[in-house]
Amino acid sequence: SQQGEEDPQALSIQEGENATMNCSYKTSINNLQWYRQNSGRGLVHLILIRSNEREKHSGRLRVTLDTSKKSSSLLITASRAADTASYFCATDLDQTGANNLFFGTGTRLTVIP
Amino acid sequence: DSGVTQTPKHLITATGQRVTLRCSPRSGDLSVYWYQQSLDQGLQFLIHYYNGEERAKGNILERFSAQQFPDLHSELNLSSLELGDSALYFCASSVEAHRGYEQYFGPGTRLTVT
Repeated sequence: SQQGEEDPQALSIQEGENATMNCSYKTSINNLQWYRQNSGRGLVHLILIRSNEREKHSGRLRVTLDTSKKSSSLLITASRAADTASYFCATDLDQTGANNLFFGTGTRLTVIP
Repeated sequence: DSGVTQTPKHLITATGQRVTLRCSPRSGDLSVYWYQQSLDQGLQFLIHYYNGEERAKGNILERFSAQQFPDLHSELNLSSLELGDSALYFCASSVEAHRGYEQYFGPGTRLTVT
């Protein structure tokens, strides 16, 4: 079963527009990560945000975390056709402290040139 | 290129058979994770090894097993295969075992069970 759910499931925007994806999760976390997956390929780590952080930036990416609402959002600004991919949030739930990740359902982003 | 390698890229086999998937982590990484990605189950954590020792189990079936060798490469063994085992199997690695470290994913092995 999935730990989290991304919303929307699919998003289609024009190049240059901003894309916002949301992730909700079920239980307390220590860290939340966002990954990107091009069709049928391996996942690429984008950004990690810790539970005591509220916002983090990396280039055109901005991630927010609201632990009270158990939700996170990923904003991609000035999107490019190359941003077309699926985006997943992942949380670490293991009570032993291990780094095992539990992924959400993903948002499929299409950026139209 | 993440530095994580997986072989083979594709595997087609019949129900009831057994296959072995192989993974080499990034140089210096001690942790290896296995994940399964299918259309109906999404991305599922299977098992985690750290420096040769099993660290945690996720949704791994009893028909599946894994190990990590002294050179840190890992193998995932899938036996008595069923049609529902058809999926992408990813290996990932990280430098440490405890939470808070990004994982580097390999390109995956696409398994098709016919």
